Amino acid sequence: DAKTTQPNSMESNEEEPVHLPCNHSTISGTDYIHWYRQLPSQGPEYVIHGLTSNVNNRMASLAIAEDRKSSTLILHRATLRDAAVYYCTGGPGGGTSYGKLTFGQGTILTVHP
Amino acid sequence: GAGVSQSPSNKVTEKGKDVELRCDPISGHTALYWYRQSLGQGLEFLIYFQGNSAPDKSGLPSDRFSAERTGGSVSTLTIQRTQQEDSAVYLCASSSGLYSYEQYFGPGTRLTVT
Repeated sequence: DAKTTQPNSMESNEEEPVHLPCNHSTISGTDYIHWYRQLPSQGPEYVIHGLTSNVNNRMASLAIAEDRKSSTLILHRATLRDAAVYYCTGGPGGGTSYGKLTFGQGTILTVHP
Repeated sequence: GAGVSQSPSNKVTEKGKDVELRCDPISGHTALYWYRQSLGQGLEFLIYFQGNSAPDKSGLPSDRFSAERTGGSVSTLTIQRTQQEDSAVYLCASSSGLYSYEQYFGPGTRLTVT
């Protein structure tokens, strides 16, 4: 599995954009980059995923570096409900890692009113 | 529609006892996953089921852990002779297929072994 590195914590003000970075320098060519978030006392929630191209959905945007060694999750206008732990992970992609999510410590995002 | 449900939400057991944790996936989802999340640790994969295929048990930490999925729907994770290091939140997730990249998680079962 790809090892990921994320900052332990970040802070933002409400209605401002937030850029959450992730390094995944050991990601394989077939592994997708996934982002999940976890609110207190809840299970993780899917946010977005991508392979090579930047991706947008209703929740966020994902910017993937050209060499795929890093990515950035972009919340365009943070709300108080976005306060959570954000996890990035490489996989599931091809091969035996398929279907097996592995999260590290993640980034604790605090959103100030 | 209903999401993934898990029961019980909390379970306290004595060391050496067996426990069963239940997961009801989203109706129609063919893939089901079990994970655990320990305090201060990340998410650890345990096992997954896909349709009628043999489950991938490669993440089970010991032979005290087992899981089954009946009728392609409900799944039970069983931990025999529980140890204190088994204390964690056990999470179940389902997806519409093995090739779906979006997994839907339940709220988890918090297991405490005393």
